[in-house]
Amino acid sequence: GESVGLHLPTLSVQEGDNSIINCAYSNSASDYFIWYKQESGKGPQFIIDIRSNMDKRQGQRVTVLLNKTVKHLSLQIAATQPGDSAVYFCAETHTGGFKTIFGAGTRLFVKA
Amino acid sequence: DAGITQSPRHKVTETGTPVTLRCHQTENHRYMYWYRQDPGHGLRLIHYSYGVKDTDKGEVSDGYSVSRSKTEDFLLTLESATSSQTSVYFCAISSPGPDNEQFFGPGTRLTVL
Repeated sequence: GESVGLHLPTLSVQEGDNSIINCAYSNSASDYFIWYKQESGKGPQFIIDIRSNMDKRQGQRVTVLLNKTVKHLSLQIAATQPGDSAVYFCAETHTGGFKTIFGAGTRLFVKA
Repeated sequence: DAGITQSPRHKVTETGTPVTLRCHQTENHRYMYWYRQDPGHGLRLIHYSYGVKDTDKGEVSDGYSVSRSKTEDFLLTLESATSSQTSVYFCAISSPGPDNEQFFGPGTRLTVL
């Protein structure tokens, strides 16, 4: 499997519980934020995004919260399933920009 | 993987040899990117392209060059591979507009001995 993520922060949750993954972003000028999921041996996959004019956005079983005051982003996964086991990255960019800054990632383990 | 393929998927080469990685998209997206992913560093941008024959450097461009002669293909070349370039390389695509999320290819694992 991939060697990426050997030293990542790790979150371990029981199947069915809710998961919260946190991320601190760096650039106050960033106005667009994205969460990606990366499974072993695959490229990152878009999960959900949020713009800086919002505090919360919900998707299917996922919710992203944005706190611009402290430059903090979180991803909440409801009723976590074994298929949610992966590395999760937050990313920040600005509208129309080419360069996206990715966080180092958090590895989520789901225990059956 | 959103119509993005990378080739080869795995490659082992020796120090000093040239290597070219190919990214091919069928989505007609204008922007294309090359990243490398290493433990402890996350994804780091090597080069990007904002159109045919239009490219620019990212944060870790030393030792790499790129070319884009047509919309669907973006090539990454290591002129003389070094062991520090052992990594997993990802290509990504995006389009202009407010929702400029990037879509990633499956990756190429490169080992330089």
